[in-house]
Amino acid sequence: DTGVSQDPRHKITKRGQNVTFRCDPISEHNRLYWYRQTLGQGPEFLTYFQNEAQLEKSRLLSDRFSAERPKGSFSTLEIQRTEQGDSAMYLCASSSEISTGRNSPLHFGNGTRLTVT
Amino acid sequence: KNQVEQSPQSLIILEGKNCTLQCNYTVSPFSNLRWYKQDTGRGPVSLTIMTFSENTKSNGRYTATLDADTKQSSLHITASQLSDSASYICVVLLHSGTYKYIFGTGTRLKVLA
Repeated sequence: DTGVSQDPRHKITKRGQNVTFRCDPISEHNRLYWYRQTLGQGPEFLTYFQNEAQLEKSRLLSDRFSAERPKGSFSTLEIQRTEQGDSAMYLCASSSEISTGRNSPLHFGNGTRLTVT
Repeated sequence: KNQVEQSPQSLIILEGKNCTLQCNYTVSPFSNLRWYKQDTGRGPVSLTIMTFSENTKSNGRYTATLDADTKQSSLHITASQLSDSASYICVVLLHSGTYKYIFGTGTRLKVLA
């Protein structure tokens, strides 16, 4: 399976700890997105990359959150000093606008579920 | 404000029945509209993608419609199966310099035997 891969699938941490999630997009997808999803809600945009450049970051994202995509392939999302309100599913998605432009599908991973106790 | 609203919030139907989910959007400028299926605990999976010039698009038992004038879309599921139980999310791509997707909150469908 060459879909979007996220690791870990589940993470339980204590308030105040730092956590890091990894996303491996579909090979050669130039765009990568991070979303946060809470129960009963749609995904909420956090940030996105085109290759290694972080082009947009949500204003909802506090400075405790940081994302990187150092070589334009995999990406990491770090949350520092976690709070209980950070508990959510963190979804990664990738797409390639090279072949079909804006009509390219957005492929999602199965997410990392974070629980902050 | 760019928004995508879906109705109903949840729906319960019997196996074999048809159902229709609604999506209204106020996103402008509009690029395309997508429907996703999200099983519990998993990421969304794309069902259809429609541009403003497309009125109908089918994917197996799923048929999506789009009325760009009224800014409404629907997803019709025919002969529902237990495996159709999931959340269905309507997503609109903003036509701008950035690739910004506006997500609805989803309709949670439960199909009962």
